[in-house]
Amino acid sequence: NAGVMQNPRHLVRRRGQEARLRCSPVKGHSHVYWYRQLPEEGLKFMVYLQKENIIDESGMPKERFSAEFPKEGPSILRIQQVVRGDSAAYFCASSPTPRVPNEQFFGPGTRLTVL
Amino acid sequence: GQQLNQSPQSMFIQEGEDVSMNCTSSSIFNTWLWYKQEPGEGPVLLIALYKAGELTSNGRLTAQFGITRKDSFLNISASIPSDVGIYFCAGLNTGTASKLTFGTGTRLQVML
Repeated sequence: NAGVMQNPRHLVRRRGQEARLRCSPVKGHSHVYWYRQLPEEGLKFMVYLQKENIIDESGMPKERFSAEFPKEGPSILRIQQVVRGDSAAYFCASSPTPRVPNEQFFGPGTRLTVL
Repeated sequence: GQQLNQSPQSMFIQEGEDVSMNCTSSSIFNTWLWYKQEPGEGPVLLIALYKAGELTSNGRLTAQFGITRKDSFLNISASIPSDVGIYFCAGLNTGTASKLTFGTGTRLQVML
């Protein structure tokens, strides 16, 4: 009974490199959400995806950030040319449906550190 | 954008005491969720509320969906050391965008 899986758990990158974060939702869940958490703060929504579609990316920075959820395989959050301000914990959540009941289950997160 | 304020920001209580925390919003939600987060982990769902005025329990936890739909409350009875963590409320309006709006968090520490 696997929950949401994220990898890697910790990622260190130098400024200018690319970061690639992976999320495998709960089996049978087709809705994936990415959130970012800065130290001592709550989680902030970034993007909502269904299989092969981006539904809502209103929380994504306009540049350098992209997300996908292909037909096969995990959802990927990609950050190009990372900067120090990208250092944060990135969480993925999944749900079986966006309608009521909508209970989003979270993964353990990927902690990105940019040197 | 929408903002959820939680109070208190942090609490230091004795084991066995009851705990109350609340969450207020500048706008309405049609679903309220309460999560607990421990260091280095993702949030874990504790309770979900779907109707204004609804009162729901999960063991020693009880949460209420405020009548105005702009607030929610979480109570923990007879606290134990493993209740330590950060409690987040989150509001959701399903049917449109399904993004959660999280509160600022209440950090709970329990003294033995």
